[in-house]
Amino acid sequence: GAGVSQSPRYKVAKRGQDVALRCDPISGHVSLFWYQQALGQGPEFLTYFQNEAQLDKSGLPSDRFFAERPEGSVSTLKIQRTQQEDSAVYLCASSLRRTQETQYFGPGTRLLVL
Amino acid sequence: EDKVVQSPLSLVVHEGDTVTLNCSYEVTNFRSLLWYKQEKKAPTFLFMLTSSGIEKKSGRLSSILDKKELFSILNITATQTGDSAIYLCAGLNNAGNMLTFGGGTRLMVKP
Repeated sequence: GAGVSQSPRYKVAKRGQDVALRCDPISGHVSLFWYQQALGQGPEFLTYFQNEAQLDKSGLPSDRFFAERPEGSVSTLKIQRTQQEDSAVYLCASSLRRTQETQYFGPGTRLLVL
Repeated sequence: EDKVVQSPLSLVVHEGDTVTLNCSYEVTNFRSLLWYKQEKKAPTFLFMLTSSGIEKKSGRLSSILDKKELFSILNITATQTGDSAIYLCAGLNNAGNMLTFGGGTRLMVKP
């Protein structure tokens, strides 16, 4: 596709539910990143993939957060037993090469946990 | 811990005004500083600055990096209502795998 796409665009979950957020990076992009953006704040790094390898997951806030990219293309961010503090916009970005510096962002998934 | 701070938090100007947005950074193994514009959706890339003192320009927007003072500015001249957005700056580490974002500056341009 022309850009990074994410789905769903909006998700409302009841506290305790599991959610799965999908990211389709730009075709051929090696690196994929997930960020969490709380209301009124800048995005915060969650995790990073190079192809299918998750090279850095230092930003994941708890073990309820899990990300995968099994075939080195599409990625899924899963949040188990959602809490109200998980409410945020989850942004996915991709970049062409391992050392490519420009990250291109998707539109985000806005998650609201009630 | 890496930190990026932007100022002002918000700014309201009228069309035609010139604005300067500020970004200071403390990033371990710093490589580059990036500016993004965020409207309602995805942050869109504006500039990447790696070398100190070299101005990058795109239309009415320009930006420069000072690696001695750990500072960058984004200038917008002759502002238009379409410039209304949140402007984010982010520091990139040497490995190229982590962007540390500031909190953003919310710019509103009134007609």
